[in-house]
Amino acid sequence: AQSVTQLDSQVPVFEEAPVELRCNYSSSVSVYLFWYVQYPNQGLQLLLKYLSGSTLVKGINGFEAEFNKSQTSFHLRKPSVHISDTAEYFCAVRNDYKLSFGAGTTVTVRA
Amino acid sequence: NAGVTQTPKFRVLKTGQSMTLLCAQDMNHEYMYWYRQDPGMGLRLIHYSVGEGTTAKGEVPDGYNVSRLKKQNFLLGLESAAPSQTSVYFCASSYPTSGSGEQYFGPGTRLTVT
Repeated sequence: AQSVTQLDSQVPVFEEAPVELRCNYSSSVSVYLFWYVQYPNQGLQLLLKYLSGSTLVKGINGFEAEFNKSQTSFHLRKPSVHISDTAEYFCAVRNDYKLSFGAGTTVTVRA
Repeated sequence: NAGVTQTPKFRVLKTGQSMTLLCAQDMNHEYMYWYRQDPGMGLRLIHYSVGEGTTAKGEVPDGYNVSRLKKQNFLLGLESAAPSQTSVYFCASSYPTSGSGEQYFGPGTRLTVT
């Protein structure tokens, strides 16, 4: 089964600074990848997904991710964060009809 | 369209007690899932269902049972709660495999076992 590894457990960042969250997946012929966000005391919400086609995927709230097959990575970026981006972010890979999640990255945005 | 809903939102149990968590979805999704979320471990799949009347074990099924008597509902049962089952439980649903596999999540149930 495919798996993902999130390389950072916590990322502190100042407001209006850029942020990058790193995710690596186990290699496979084809892969569907997702980024979810969990705001405090809420469920998970889809930020973006990669199925095929363009390697640069744009999501909600100004986030984007780049699929890199040679490096088996799917890193999430935002050029300028807001206080409201404080949340936990999960990378996930599809295995048949199931998802395997990374351990999560907590982003804390400070003024 | 409420999406995925979970009942209850919070619960405190004593060791050995039993309870059932209810998940309901109004999107006519075939597949439904139960996860538990623990700090530093992401989401781990407990059980899942690919259709009414069918269930299967996930990554961490021990101590839990499930039932899917109706397509829109997926129940998670704890027969004899243990402190190790203190966690946040999430239900999710998705379209069949012809789609992206994207899952839609409920708001979660926070369970404490003392």
